[in-house]
Amino acid sequence: QVHLVESGGGVVQPGQSLRLSCAASGLTFNYYFFHWVRQTPAKGLEWVALISDDGSNKYYADSVKGRFTISRDNSKNTLYLHMSSLSAEDTAVYYCAREVAAPRPFDYWGQGTLVTVSS
Amino acid sequence: DIQMTQSPSSLSASVGDRVTVTCRASQTINNYLHWYQQQPGKAPKLLIYAASSLQTGVPPRFSGSGSGTDYTLTINSLQREDFAIYYCQQSYSTPFTFGGGTRVEIK
Repeated sequence: QVHLVESGGGVVQPGQSLRLSCAASGLTFNYYFFHWVRQTPAKGLEWVALISDDGSNKYYADSVKGRFTISRDNSKNTLYLHMSSLSAEDTAVYYCAREVAAPRPFDYWGQGTLVTVSS
Repeated sequence: DIQMTQSPSSLSASVGDRVTVTCRASQTINNYLHWYQQQPGKAPKLLIYAASSLQTGVPPRFSGSGSGTDYTLTINSLQREDFAIYYCQQSYSTPFTFGGGTRVEIK
């Protein structure tokens, strides 16, 4: 059974940084692309970033480009999202999700971790 | 970026009703279209992928159709556990955009 478990959320002040983790189990981690998706009541679901199976390719939403970095450690079955220069607009529940083969739906999601940016 | 427009944003229905949700993409997405269900406090759950393929374990009362830019999610004989928010998503090109969601409420 595939499990994705996010951690690392919390309350941070504007301008600070935070790193989220997503620990995966029940799958061959290095076979899959992974994503981060965030959700707010106002904006709904917003795709944030994508990383390829070997970590060589990464893509970002314009809203986070240059501030967020997606990475993975295939030896630890863990996905990361390093977030810097955080602002109130980054306040959201952050989900990690597994992508499967074309046409690339997200078949497994973590439970989410809440990031609150507030002074 | 490809914009995904869902309608309606909310609807009220009764148990046993047939419900239809539509999703329109701002450009053709070649069936790279997926539907998710989200219950309160939970992560989204994949229902339909590639416009019309039922995800394993999802009841057959859920179905999807469409092509090009226009797609539909249909729920036949709505059950109590189906009251939730439904989202469409395109994976044709990054950013993988989502629709704004359709809240299905009990009438």
